[in-house]
Amino acid sequence: GAGVSQSPRYKVAKRGQDVALRCDPISGHVSLFWYQQALGQGPEFLTYFQNEAQLDKSGLPSDRFFAERPEGSVSTLKIQRTQQEDSAVYLCASSPRDPSRQPQHFGDGTRLSIL
Amino acid sequence: KQEVTQIPAALSVPEGENLVLNCSFTDSAIYNLQWFRQDPGKGLTSLLLIQSSQREQTSGRLNASLDKSSGRSTLYIAASQPGDSATYLCAVGKAAGNKLTFGGGTRVLVKP
Repeated sequence: GAGVSQSPRYKVAKRGQDVALRCDPISGHVSLFWYQQALGQGPEFLTYFQNEAQLDKSGLPSDRFFAERPEGSVSTLKIQRTQQEDSAVYLCASSPRDPSRQPQHFGDGTRLSIL
Repeated sequence: KQEVTQIPAALSVPEGENLVLNCSFTDSAIYNLQWFRQDPGKGLTSLLLIQSSQREQTSGRLNASLDKSSGRSTLYIAASQPGDSATYLCAVGKAAGNKLTFGGGTRVLVKP
């Protein structure tokens, strides 16, 4: 497809389990972002990649959160030892070479529920 | 730290009325400002992107203004339609990587 694709769309996990969320950006988009959106709130920045380089991870809430983009295309957000407060929608966005001049294109997100 | 506020949090209007959505931000050193639309269970759709050097952007029935000095942006939607019902989010971007800081959104309901 032409848009940003995220999988799975829904993920239910028990507290303490590890989860992995996948993002397929628009082909050719250099920049990739992850955001976390709690219910009824705006998204909050987690991390940013330019190609395979993770240039900003200041928004990751703890060292249980890890993101990678090894070949500069697909990205994976991994959460270890999940906790209930990790329940949220995780959104991925991509943009062309100059993200400051182009809108970010968002996927539909992965809704994560931790029981 | 940049903070973005959207008022009101929710808005209900009859079809045909014009919508006015407000966004304010605390740090005027922004690179750009974007307005997004979010439908339930969906991601964000970019509506308008205003560069810091611009005062406004228009697309069809949508017009967004930007006043950096006062830290404000307003999104106008003319002649609202039921299909305009959604949550509208504004977000400001800084130069470094353009990570976005979002407001909490305004939930809009346009009644037929």
